[in-house]
Amino acid sequence: AQSVTQLGSHVSVSEGALVLLRCNYSSSVPPYLFWYVQYPNQGLQLLLKYTTGATLVKGINGFEAEFKKSETSFHLTKPSAHMSDAAEYFCAVLNNAGNMLTFGGGTRLMVKP
Amino acid sequence: DAGVIQSPRHEVTEMGQEVTLRCKPISGHNSLFWYRQTMMRGLELLIYFNNNVPIDDSGMPEDRFSAKMPNASFSTLKIQPSEPRDSAVYFCASSPGSWFSSGNTIYFGEGSWLTVV
Repeated sequence: AQSVTQLGSHVSVSEGALVLLRCNYSSSVPPYLFWYVQYPNQGLQLLLKYTTGATLVKGINGFEAEFKKSETSFHLTKPSAHMSDAAEYFCAVLNNAGNMLTFGGGTRLMVKP
Repeated sequence: DAGVIQSPRHEVTEMGQEVTLRCKPISGHNSLFWYRQTMMRGLELLIYFNNNVPIDDSGMPEDRFSAKMPNASFSTLKIQPSEPRDSAVYFCASSPGSWFSSGNTIYFGEGSWLTVV
């Protein structure tokens, strides 16, 4: 079965600093991978997804993620953090049947002024 | 499109009472999901419908929980009787259907905040 592990339940960065949120996956088939963001008191919104093709995926709000098969990783990055990026971020993998997502435990990003 | 619509947004109820959460998926979407989010367990998939038929309910915690989808535009998640440990945010989500072929996206509602006292 597919699974994802997000290293670090809380990450704190200064405004303008690099954001790096880690995600490692386990999958017996080529994975479809997703990053979602959840702002306070809201539902989850899709940031970006990897299905096939280019391994560097660009998403909304300046975020990007790189699929590295050799490392079974799909880390999320942003060159310069904004205060508005403070939220919880979830990595997810699609199951073999292609009809359900399995989410990681989430990483809460805090941005200091 | 209005997005996935959930009601109520917030509910506080007493232990033992019946709770019904409602969801209207995005028009044209034929897959619907109910998730539960808690601090301790994160996001858990409770049940998944495809074309109004429950496909996987292995995540439903116990018999006190039931879900229905009587038509393509409406689903309910019911808890009877409710217990304090059911306090959580319950999310409904929908997607256009088969993902392998098109890499479709799953869209979430804003959640129903349930507190059982």
